[in-house]
Amino acid sequence: DTGVSQDPRHKITKRGQNVTFRCDPISEHNRLYWYRQTLGQGPEFLTYFQNEAQLEKSRLLSDRFSAERPKGSFSTLEIQRTEQGDSAMYLCASSLGWGDGKNIQYFGAGTRLSVL
Amino acid sequence: QKEVEQDPGPLSVPEGAIVSLNCTYSNSAFQYFMWYRQYSRKGPELLMYTYSSGNKEDGRFTAQVDKSSKYISLFIRDSQPSDSATYLCAMSGETSGSRLTFGEGTQLTVNP
Repeated sequence: DTGVSQDPRHKITKRGQNVTFRCDPISEHNRLYWYRQTLGQGPEFLTYFQNEAQLEKSRLLSDRFSAERPKGSFSTLEIQRTEQGDSAMYLCASSLGWGDGKNIQYFGAGTRLSVL
Repeated sequence: QKEVEQDPGPLSVPEGAIVSLNCTYSNSAFQYFMWYRQYSRKGPELLMYTYSSGNKEDGRFTAQVDKSSKYISLFIRDSQPSDSATYLCAMSGETSGSRLTFGEGTQLTVNP
C-alpha cells in the first residue's frame, strides 16, 4: 500500500493555459475524490467517482474543469483557460467505498497550482 | 453561514499542555466525524474517525462528538512540538457520496 499519489506536486502556469493533474488512488479503493484548498481554508469538495462513474460535481466545478477516471483506476483533473483564481492546492483522496469504516478518505500530498 | 465552523486560531501552547480543539456544525444529517492533521504544504492525515455520538481515544488523542449540541472536540494530551500543525475537522452524512465538509482548520503551535 503506497498511499494516494499525486503528480505533479507543483505546477506553475500562465493565465489562459491548460493544466492537467493526475491522481493514483490506493489500490482496491473504489471511490476517488477531488478537493480544492486555498490558503487558510479547509478543503472544498469538487467531485467524486465510484469506480469509473463520476457521480457528483460541486457547483465549484465550472465548465473549465473536467475530471475523468478511465477504467476506474487513476484519475485526471484538467483545468482549461486557467485564471489566477484557480491558484490553490488540489487534493485527491480515495476510500474503499460506502458505510462505516469504508468511507474513510485518505489524502494525497496534493498538487499546488500557481497561475501567473 | 458555513455548515462547519472552526476557530482558526492561531493557538500557541507550551510543551506538555492539554490542547482542546472544537467545531460546531449546522447540518443534522452529518453522521461521520473526523479530525485530520495537516502539516505545511502537505495533504491532510487522518487522526480520528467517529461514527455518530460518543468518545474515542487513541493514544494521546481523544475525540468527542455531541450530536445533540452539534459540537465535536479533539483533545491532545501531553502535547509535543511535533504536534504543531493545522487541525481540520471534517464531517459527512449517509448520502452525498460521503463527501467531506471541512472546517477552516485551527493552526496549533506547541512551544518547547
